[in-house]
Amino acid sequence: DAGVTQSPTHLIKTRGQQVTLRCSPKSGHDTVSWYQQALGQGPQFIFQYYEEEERQRGNFPDRFSGHQFPNYSSELNVNALLLGDSALYLCASSPNAWHTEAFFGQGTRLTVV
Amino acid sequence: GQQVMQIPQYQHVQEGEDFTTYCNSSTTLSNIQWYKQRPGGHPVFLIQLVKSGEVKKQKRLTFQFGEAKKNSSLHITATQTTDVGTYFCAAVNNDYKLSFGAGTTVTVRA
Repeated sequence: DAGVTQSPTHLIKTRGQQVTLRCSPKSGHDTVSWYQQALGQGPQFIFQYYEEEERQRGNFPDRFSGHQFPNYSSELNVNALLLGDSALYLCASSPNAWHTEAFFGQGTRLTVV
Repeated sequence: GQQVMQIPQYQHVQEGEDFTTYCNSSTTLSNIQWYKQRPGGHPVFLIQLVKSGEVKKQKRLTFQFGEAKKNSSLHITATQTTDVGTYFCAAVNNDYKLSFGAGTTVTVRA
């Protein structure tokens, strides 16, 4: 049983560019959350998707957008990249239930130059 | 900003010794989760605490949730090199997101 998978593992982009990150949830999970983890910090909640809709959003600008597909996989899009967007982007999946553990993928390391 | 504060930020431990990391919130939490992230890795779920005053043990790890549900602690006994990593608490309230603390990064001297 594959866990949460993310692609790509590493990415280098230039300021102003756009990026798309992908996530496949753990089998049986229908809820996907995205987190940004800067170096030396804890993960910060970006948003969560359930039933192909954004259910909740953290304090991130509109440059951050996402999508969930019928097979529950998800994408995170970031437009007009800034140097400060350099971070580890983590995808976490869970079943749609209150207060359950989150299963994290290995993350995508994004570097903006 | 983050909803929960963790102390200490860094913990340097002699192998075989015990240590405790603390997680504090200014508001009452619905429940709290703990995760461990190894260097270069991703957060891995350890435990969830729900009830006031709850204590749970996993081998050498003991987790506590405060009576007021505003603080939590993780105590590790007889530290081993496998305990190296960053330990995060994550607050869970009546919404869908996890609010992570900044973590306690643990290094072990052999």
